[in-house]
Amino acid sequence: EVQLVESGGGLVQPGGSLRLSCAASGFTFSSYWMSWVRQAPGKGLEWVANIKQDGSEKYYVDSVKGRFTISRDNAKNSLYLQMNSLRAEDTAVYYCARELRLWHDYWGQGTLVTVSS
Amino acid sequence: EIVLTQSPATLSLSPGERATLSCRASQSVSSYLAWYQQKPGQAPRLLIYDASNRATGIPARFSGSGSGTDFTLTISSLEPEDFAVYYCQQRSNWRRFTFGPGTKVDIK
Repeated sequence: EVQLVESGGGLVQPGGSLRLSCAASGFTFSSYWMSWVRQAPGKGLEWVANIKQDGSEKYYVDSVKGRFTISRDNAKNSLYLQMNSLRAEDTAVYYCARELRLWHDYWGQGTLVTVSS
Repeated sequence: EIVLTQSPATLSLSPGERATLSCRASQSVSSYLAWYQQKPGQAPRLLIYDASNRATGIPARFSGSGSGTDFTLTISSLEPEDFAVYYCQQRSNWRRFTFGPGTKVDIK
């Protein structure tokens, strides 16, 4: 059974940093592109970043470029999102999701990040 | 950047009724469109990919159609568990994804 379990969310002050993790199991993690998708409270879905199987390609939504870094450790079946210079508008539930071709076929349950003083 | 627009924003229907949701792209996405369902407090679930293919385990009452810029998700007869928010999504040539703003299907 495919499982994605996020962790690392919490309350952080504006300008602060946080590192999210996603533990993957039930599939060959190193064979898939992976994404982070977020959802602000009461709002829709926003794709944040993705990373190729070997980590050689990474893409970001414009609003997080230069502040967020996606990475992965295939030996640990883990995906990460390092978030720096956090802003109030980064407050959201962050989901890790597996990419299959042009879609996201499995999602984690999400971890809440709150940026507030 | 391709923008996805969904209509209506809210659809109020009764169980057993037919639901028709629309997604329009600002330029052609061929048939490369997906639909997701999200219930309160849950992660999204993939329903339809390539505009008309049901994902694994998705009931036959869900169907998708369309190509180019206009797409439709149809729920033939609403079950109580179908009341949720539905998002369409496409991926650009640059491996970036965009989602539509969502359509909420609620109980009339």
